[in-house]
Amino acid sequence: DGGITQSPKYLFRKEGQNVTLSCEQNLNHDAMYWYRQDPGQGLRLIYYSQIVNDFQKGDIAEGYSVSREKKESFPLTVTSAQKNPTAFYLCASSTAGTATGELFFGEGSRLTVL
Amino acid sequence: QQQVKQSPQSLIVQKGGISIINCAYENTAFDYFPWYQQFPGKGPALLIAIRPDVSEKKEGRFTISFNKSAKQFSLHIMDSQPGDSATYFCAARNQGGKLIFGQGTELSVKP
Repeated sequence: DGGITQSPKYLFRKEGQNVTLSCEQNLNHDAMYWYRQDPGQGLRLIYYSQIVNDFQKGDIAEGYSVSREKKESFPLTVTSAQKNPTAFYLCASSTAGTATGELFFGEGSRLTVL
Repeated sequence: QQQVKQSPQSLIVQKGGISIINCAYENTAFDYFPWYQQFPGKGPALLIAIRPDVSEKKEGRFTISFNKSAKQFSLHIMDSQPGDSATYFCAARNQGGKLIFGQGTELSVKP
């Protein structure tokens, strides 16, 4: 089945530790995105990538880092510099330049900092 | 200017009733307005979308009404069912192709 796979689904981290969230897609989409979801704040864009080896900061990139070495993969690292990392993280992909702008989302990773 | 304001934050509707969720925006350059539906523990999925040259779009029990002059658009769910209970996000696409999401509405449909 085509889709987006995020792992792990749940993750606990101690303060001061970096953690990497995995996102893999087999939809052959060029563009990939990371969003953060907090109650009452909607979906906020962290980073996005339109093509391999290139990515741009979104609205809340501070304390996060990404890489795009393969078309299928777009991992997100939550660093110790992120002040409030506890959240639900969503990865998405889309066909770059699509007229519909439809995003396809994974099932998310819930990160809890202890 | 890049914000999309969504209301209400939560909504309780009886089975068979009409659910209405509203969104407002400021940026007149937004060119595409989708609604996403998210069930607990899952990622959002595209539900229905509209372009600003159309005032209404209907797909089954779901209708988007779009008022370009007021810069508002809304989602109407007719004959609401318990299976419609989910969080709904409106969004708008800016000139750079990015989607700006509203704050989300948690809908609960009571049997």
